[in-house]
Amino acid sequence: EVQLVESGGGLVQPGGSLRLSCAASGFTVSRNYMSWIRQAPGKGLEWVALTYSGGGTYYTDSVKGRFTISTDNSKNTLSLRMNSLRPDDTAFYYCAGGSSHDYWGQGTLVTVSS
Amino acid sequence: QSVLTQPPSASGTPGQRVTISCSGSSSNIGSNTVNWYQQLPGTAPRLLVYPNNQRPSGISDRFSGSKSGTSASLAISGLQSEDEADYYCAAWDDSLNGWVFGGGTKLTVL
Repeated sequence: EVQLVESGGGLVQPGGSLRLSCAASGFTVSRNYMSWIRQAPGKGLEWVALTYSGGGTYYTDSVKGRFTISTDNSKNTLSLRMNSLRPDDTAFYYCAGGSSHDYWGQGTLVTVSS
Repeated sequence: QSVLTQPPSASGTPGQRVTISCSGSSSNIGSNTVNWYQQLPGTAPRLLVYPNNQRPSGISDRFSGSKSGTSASLAISGLQSEDEADYYCAAWDDSLNGWVFGGGTKLTVL
């Protein structure tokens, strides 16, 4: 059974940094497409970033230069390093695995507020 | 403003057939496959229908997807109360080099 478990969310001040992690089991992160997708409270889904086997990465325009997606193959985890956080980055952040976002974690809440 | 356009709401009575539309452009739906996701209240989204109208294990065959040109549709037959959820379409966008989602459709079973 595939499980994706996110962690690392919390309250951070504007301009601050946070690192999210997604631990995978039953699924090899390094061999698959992996994305971070966020959802502001009461709003719709927004894709944030993607990485795939070979190390390629893509980002939505609003996070380019601020967020970095990466994988740790030894720990089979996906990470999202978030710098220069803004209030509009407040959202539940989900990791999703597979070329069709086949598998989702339960999400972790990031709140950017002073 | 989402790149893919969905109606904000839809409704139907038990047993009815309901369709949810998703409109895009040549750079996303027109040139790539469309996935559909279901988000039950208070839970994470899950994949519902993916390319070639396939469904993940455990997803009822009451759910089906189709695509024509730059639009796609999700059909739900034999509507049940447990189908009350938010539904999202998504596709890769060749111009944006990223995934784009619809704004979501809230389905109410009357």
